[in-house]
Amino acid sequence: GAVVSQHPSRVICKSGTSVKIECRSLDFQATTMFWYRQFPKKSLMLMATSNEGSKATYEQGVEKDKFLINHASLTLSTLTVTSAHPEDSSFYICSARRTANEQFFGPGTRLTVL
Amino acid sequence: AQSVTQPDIHITVSEGASLELRCNYSYGATPYLFWYVQSPGQGLQLLLKYFSGDTLVQGIKGFEAEFKRSQSSFNLRKPSVHWSDAAEYFCAVGPNTNAGKSTFGDGTTLTVKP
Repeated sequence: GAVVSQHPSRVICKSGTSVKIECRSLDFQATTMFWYRQFPKKSLMLMATSNEGSKATYEQGVEKDKFLINHASLTLSTLTVTSAHPEDSSFYICSARRTANEQFFGPGTRLTVL
Repeated sequence: AQSVTQPDIHITVSEGASLELRCNYSYGATPYLFWYVQSPGQGLQLLLKYFSGDTLVQGIKGFEAEFKRSQSSFNLRKPSVHWSDAAEYFCAVGPNTNAGKSTFGDGTTLTVKP
């Protein structure tokens, strides 16, 4: 099956700093990747759609200046949480779309902001 | 608007017993339906999906699901549960043209008793 990796798996940072999370599709090219946020015991919330070579599309209520997305290649998308605050602490999951109706999820990144 | 309801927040079954996890959806067109499993601190793994055709879908790890249009349901079943099946299960519905636009249910936590 298709493999998607995320790095780092866990990160702890101080309030006010920025954190970058990488999402890679290891064995297929993905022109589209997705970033989700998951709160404890809650479902996944789609934050944005990352498009290779163009700007990301953000869901309503997600601050684009807060959550910067870059999709520089067909196998890599990055999510940067800028000026992180404790309320940004969460589990962030990416997925990569292999076909129109098929997405494969990364293992997630646990972000803790102190 | 599309929505997914998983009525059972938490289910406990004994190892070897049968399992059924409920999923009801609301969708304006022909739905594309998915079941995912998530182990603690991990991303999501696709168990099975329904796009069209036979309404009884077979998935990995011995799971199956049945699409019932009249009941707007897509319940997940397994005849004999193993301790390793303990996890969080998510049902999702989405368009066939954009996997990332799937809407997820709130999940059902499965506990397996020895």
